Amino acid sequence: GENVEQHPSTLSVQEGDSAVIKCTYSDSASNYFPWYKQELGKRPQLIIDIRSNVGEKKDQRIAVTLNKTAKHFSLHITETQPEDSAVYFCAAHFGNEKLTFGTGTRLTIIP
Amino acid sequence: NAGVMQNPRHLVRRRGQEARLRCSPMKGHSHVYWYRQLPEEGLKFMVYLQKENIIDESGMPKERFSAEFPKEGPSILRIQQVVRGDSAAYFCASSPPAGGMETQYFGPGTRLLVL
Repeated sequence: GENVEQHPSTLSVQEGDSAVIKCTYSDSASNYFPWYKQELGKRPQLIIDIRSNVGEKKDQRIAVTLNKTAKHFSLHITETQPEDSAVYFCAAHFGNEKLTFGTGTRLTIIP
Repeated sequence: NAGVMQNPRHLVRRRGQEARLRCSPMKGHSHVYWYRQLPEEGLKFMVYLQKENIIDESGMPKERFSAEFPKEGPSILRIQQVVRGDSAAYFCASSPPAGGMETQYFGPGTRLLVL
């Protein structure tokens, strides 16, 4: 079935350092992989996404890499800042227009 | 350009009552998705609708829950005879009609508390 695993569940990083969150997915036919950031009590907000025809995408301090052979994709945040503290969710689109989400990573940036 | 709208933002119900949650998609979006999020947990897909059609309801409980997206007006998620376990945040998301691999934009959610 459709499954997305996300690690780690919690991550603490010193301000200025990098944070990496990893996800694996079960269906090799998956073709769209968004990342959402959710602050406490707020809605999930799309921060970056990648489609299966590219291996890497970057937007300022945020980058996502995709390895279709291994069926995993990762979020990289560089030069972390206190406002990066939030819960981050990866997701995969399994061709039927619904997204399956990972279980989330609570990222804490230590000043 | 207004984003996805949901109301009410907070809803308190007693056990056995009905809860009706509304979602208005972004302008130009014809696909609506409902998700449930329990405290400290991830987002669980419930149902995917297009105008006047339920496309995928595989994540929705078979009893007490129903959803619609009429030709006019918002999408409605209806929970009948609510129980304490229904307490959660319910988010809807919308996407454009192009179909497949389209970004989903989330509304602010409705936080349902069942007493």
